[in-house]
Amino acid sequence: EVQLLESGGGLVQPGGSLRLSCAASGFTFSNYAMSWVRQAPGKGLEWVSSISSSDTAYTYYTDSVKGRFTISRDNSKNTLYLQMNSLRAEDTAVYYCAKSAGGNYWPYRYGMDVWGQGTTVTVSS
Amino acid sequence: QSALTQPPSASGSPGQSVTISCTGTNSDIGGYNYVSWYQQHPGKAPKLMIFEVSKRPSGVPDRFSGSKSGNTASLTVSGLQAEDEADYYCNSYAGSNNFVIFGGGTKLTVL
Repeated sequence: EVQLLESGGGLVQPGGSLRLSCAASGFTFSNYAMSWVRQAPGKGLEWVSSISSSDTAYTYYTDSVKGRFTISRDNSKNTLYLQMNSLRAEDTAVYYCAKSAGGNYWPYRYGMDVWGQGTTVTVSS
Repeated sequence: QSALTQPPSASGSPGQSVTISCTGTNSDIGGYNYVSWYQQHPGKAPKLMIFEVSKRPSGVPDRFSGSKSGNTASLTVSGLQAEDEADYYCNSYAGSNNFVIFGGGTKLTVL
């Protein structure tokens, strides 16, 4: 069964850091671009970041997290990461990892066809 | 990075058809044929329903269809069923600077 399992969420103070992980199984992780998408409480989906499949990974970020968040992957561990620094209250959300449907194509091309259950990040003092 | 514009709500009776619009600009929807649609039930992860404007992934019923005209994309759900009640989000490529943007979401109610 194709599956994504996020972990690492929690309560953190403004200015703090968290690292989210997404463990993949049931597919050849190294062949697929991956993304993080978040959803603030009661709000819509917001794309956060994407990374290509290769070890020389190309990355993209939404403007509001550039310079604060870093997406990475370890293909030997079938795991996607999101390092989040200088966290703000507006980063509070459920964070989903998602697999691109079309191999190494970016998520906008064929969509994101497998999603995790999400991990909750709360930034508050 | 402005979100794509969707109506906050839409509704229809079982068996009817409903269309949800998603309006962008020449820099996103109007410039590329890379529009996707996602369905999200409360407390659940999103599900891909449409990609590349009008293509359905395997397993998605053909009651769901997508189209685009100019800067506006649309999702049509025909033969509405109770299980179609959910939030729907459009998504588009927005160029190398903004990359990917979502719409604000539309809550579809089956009356």
